Amino acid sequence: QQQVKQSPQSLIVQKGGISIINCAYENTAFDYFPWYQQFPGKGPALLIAIRPDVSEKKEGRFTISFNKSAKQFSLHIMDSQPGDSATYFCAASYNYQLIWGAGTKLIIKP
Amino acid sequence: GAGVSQSPSNKVTEKGKDVELRCDPISGHTALYWYRQSLGQGLEFLIYFQGNSAPDKSGLPSDRFSAERTGGSVSTLTIQRTQQEDSAVYLCASSSRGQGNTIYFGEGSWLTVV
Repeated sequence: QQQVKQSPQSLIVQKGGISIINCAYENTAFDYFPWYQQFPGKGPALLIAIRPDVSEKKEGRFTISFNKSAKQFSLHIMDSQPGDSATYFCAASYNYQLIWGAGTKLIIKP
Repeated sequence: GAGVSQSPSNKVTEKGKDVELRCDPISGHTALYWYRQSLGQGLEFLIYFQGNSAPDKSGLPSDRFSAERTGGSVSTLTIQRTQQEDSAVYLCASSSRGQGNTIYFGEGSWLTVV
């Protein structure tokens, strides 16, 4: 019940395309869902986050879609750029606990 | 400093030696986390500190691992009698409350046990 399942494990997208990464959770007590971006040799950094009272949040080219009934949320990167190539982690939070997905390695081909 | 600071950034040690990794969180952040990340892998929770409360040590993989946080600020992660499987990046993160708030990561300490 504490797991967050992230897919795909890796993703290759052409420049200008849409990158989509999905996460699913079981515990309905989770109340905060962040996405983190990690470049090689760096620590993860918050990209965008959502709370379950909204179904979508958009920041620039990055959008989180949240489906509370399905217990799923996804990250969409529009007009993907080579600089977006990184590893992306979803997470779900309850209290201080952060349960992390396994990560998605995204490669944007120029 | 502006961000979470970790030292050393890289450490090579011989099997069986003890190592200490240091984390200096963002000023004013009461919550502090340690994670371990093996090459190309996800984030493995190790330990959580919040203010003066007892830490959550549930993620520490063995009794060779310990951590302390002095004065509610700087934290030290100690690994005794290091093993090759301890080789990983050790990431520290802090947040203002630890509950539904952004956690900010340092750049990690890369530990190699030879």
